[in-house]
Amino acid sequence: DVKVTQSSRYLVKRTGEKVFLECVQDMDHENMFWYRQDPGLGLRLIYFSYDVKMKEKGDIPEGYSVSREKKERFSLILESASTNQTSMYLCASSPSTGQSSPLHFGNGTRLTVT
Amino acid sequence: GQSLEQPSEVTAVEGAIVQINCTYQTSGFYGLSWYQQHDGGAPTFLSYNALDGLEETGRFSSFLSRSDSYGYLLLQELQMKDSASYFCAVMDSSYKLIFGSGTRLLVRP
Repeated sequence: DVKVTQSSRYLVKRTGEKVFLECVQDMDHENMFWYRQDPGLGLRLIYFSYDVKMKEKGDIPEGYSVSREKKERFSLILESASTNQTSMYLCASSPSTGQSSPLHFGNGTRLTVT
Repeated sequence: GQSLEQPSEVTAVEGAIVQINCTYQTSGFYGLSWYQQHDGGAPTFLSYNALDGLEETGRFSSFLSRSDSYGYLLLQELQMKDSASYFCAVMDSSYKLIFGSGTRLLVRP
């Protein structure tokens, strides 16, 4: 089974802090994604990556950056956390770009910014 | 703009059949997917339709009509464990997977 592991289940940070959310997948998948999930808004794509050192903006990239130095690891960075970034963050991976290739999600990181 | 519309909540009785609809408007279309998410859990893939028609996988079926930009997820013989949120998703021309806001299904005894 594919395993997508997010380093923290819960995280509390202060406004202005730099925050790193880490995600590791163990199935040699090419593609990795970061979504945030908010009530009533579903899952919104922040950034995605099709290969090492490649990144593409999703629908809501403002205030975020990403890093993919190794194939198995995709990090989401909040340069200066703000209260409106309080959310559930979900990492996912897939073996290819086709939609028939389903996304495998991690269990999420619930981030609270105070 | 891009949008996927689905009902926010659906309630049904154990053993019954329920249909969750999804209409979409996206730039490019590469098929409709459905994901299930239990409270506190990760979304998990249920089904994918690239062509018009019905795809059946056990108690779950998914339907697509590309001409109507419409699809649905059909759950039969509902069980209590089916209580969860269900998301439709469409891949657009940029290969981004766009999700709907989700339908919360409550199955009652």
